[in-house]
Amino acid sequence: DAGVIQSPRHEVTEMGQEVTLRCKPISGHNSLFWYRQTMMRGLELLIYFNNNVPIDDSGMPEDRFSAKMPNASFSTLKIQPSEPRDSAVYFCASSLIAGGDTGELFFGEGSRLTVL
Amino acid sequence: SQQGEEDPQALSIQEGENATMNCSYKTSINNLQWYRQNSGRGLVHLILIRSNEREKHSGRLRVTLDTSKKSSSLLITASRAADTASYFCATEPLQGGSEKLVFGKGTKLTVNP
Repeated sequence: DAGVIQSPRHEVTEMGQEVTLRCKPISGHNSLFWYRQTMMRGLELLIYFNNNVPIDDSGMPEDRFSAKMPNASFSTLKIQPSEPRDSAVYFCASSLIAGGDTGELFFGEGSRLTVL
Repeated sequence: SQQGEEDPQALSIQEGENATMNCSYKTSINNLQWYRQNSGRGLVHLILIRSNEREKHSGRLRVTLDTSKKSSSLLITASRAADTASYFCATEPLQGGSEKLVFGKGTKLTVNP
């Protein structure tokens, strides 16, 4: 298995531009997570999908952030308009959660976003 | 407030020595997980210990859990330069599943050859 695949690995953009980050979870996993990592705040959960349905988006910072999961093999995280404080590494992770038991999270390599 | 907090923030040792990292948390948990992150890479799951377990081993890793003290430790024995990475604990609170997993800020381990 190729693991969780994220794109792009690096993105540099200017303030006000739209940013779209993409994630392909591991086949067969039923849960997908978007995290943001910064030096100041560490790893923060932004949103969690189960069976393609958003379950908890309380971590999404504001309306400029949106996430979709149109099918089991693809998810996007969009920031519109982007701001310099959005600069961070964004991770996608997937997991197989069955019977309420916690599964380990499998992380992608991350998308490093720099907003100038 | 943040659930898991690692201690120390940074640790530098010589190859062959043991490395011990600690994690403290505030509320009751279902389980605690440890992850490793190499520089510029994603997190990799190392080990999961459930609240009813006290110790778990995996290769050169030994994890302990003391629920009365709300703390866990990760021991890496006979460290190697390749163990250089940041190590994170993540706690799943009693009320909630994986979506409630909370990560600490990590311990940065440097193993000098």
